[in-house]
Amino acid sequence: EDQVTQSPEALRLQEGESSSLNCSYTVSGLRGLFWYRQDPGKGPEFLFTLYSAGEEKEKERLKATLTKKESFLHITAPKPEDSATYLCAVVHGSGNTGKLIFGQGTTLQVKP
Amino acid sequence: NAGVTQTPKFQVLKTGQSMTLQCAQDMNHNSMYWYRQDPGMGLRLIYYSASEGTTDKGEVPNGYNVSRLNKREFSLRLESAAPSQTSVYFCASSEPGQGAGYEQYFGPGTRLTVT
Repeated sequence: EDQVTQSPEALRLQEGESSSLNCSYTVSGLRGLFWYRQDPGKGPEFLFTLYSAGEEKEKERLKATLTKKESFLHITAPKPEDSATYLCAVVHGSGNTGKLIFGQGTTLQVKP
Repeated sequence: NAGVTQTPKFQVLKTGQSMTLQCAQDMNHNSMYWYRQDPGMGLRLIYYSASEGTTDKGEVPNGYNVSRLNKREFSLRLESAAPSQTSVYFCASSEPGQGAGYEQYFGPGTRLTVT
């Protein structure tokens, strides 16, 4: 059964304090792992796609990495504006339906 | 480009009332999805449409119906609303293809309260 688990559920950091969010996944044949950012009251915003173990993607203070069992979202020297919920998802099922299965998310709070 | 738009943004219904949530995308995507998001439950797929003219049930379809009106528009209908359908509803679209395009783009959401 396809499954995505994110940890921790919540993370509080001081501004400038680097850390990582974890996304563990179980899926038959990974066809893509996705990271999203969701601000309160808004829809998820697409950040990254990772396709194969060893792949890395970067955007400003965020860096996503992928292994065969998990993905990490590394946040370097975070700022208060990085506060949001970060969601991880993988392609789910067979064929080209495009269905994704999402983790529960990690809510990040960065204090000035 | 507006991306994915949803109407209305907010809605309050009484138990037993019906309503339709509207979604439109201007990215020429073939696939569209409806999710609900509840605290502690994450995003759960209600229905999806892999291409124009097709719709299929997702994880939590009971109490809902959908219509893929054309390539741009995908609506979600609640025939007889129940308090358990109080949630935030998101529409998304994507263009899954040969090993790419699976990333979904989301609308701003509809906050629905059923009393």
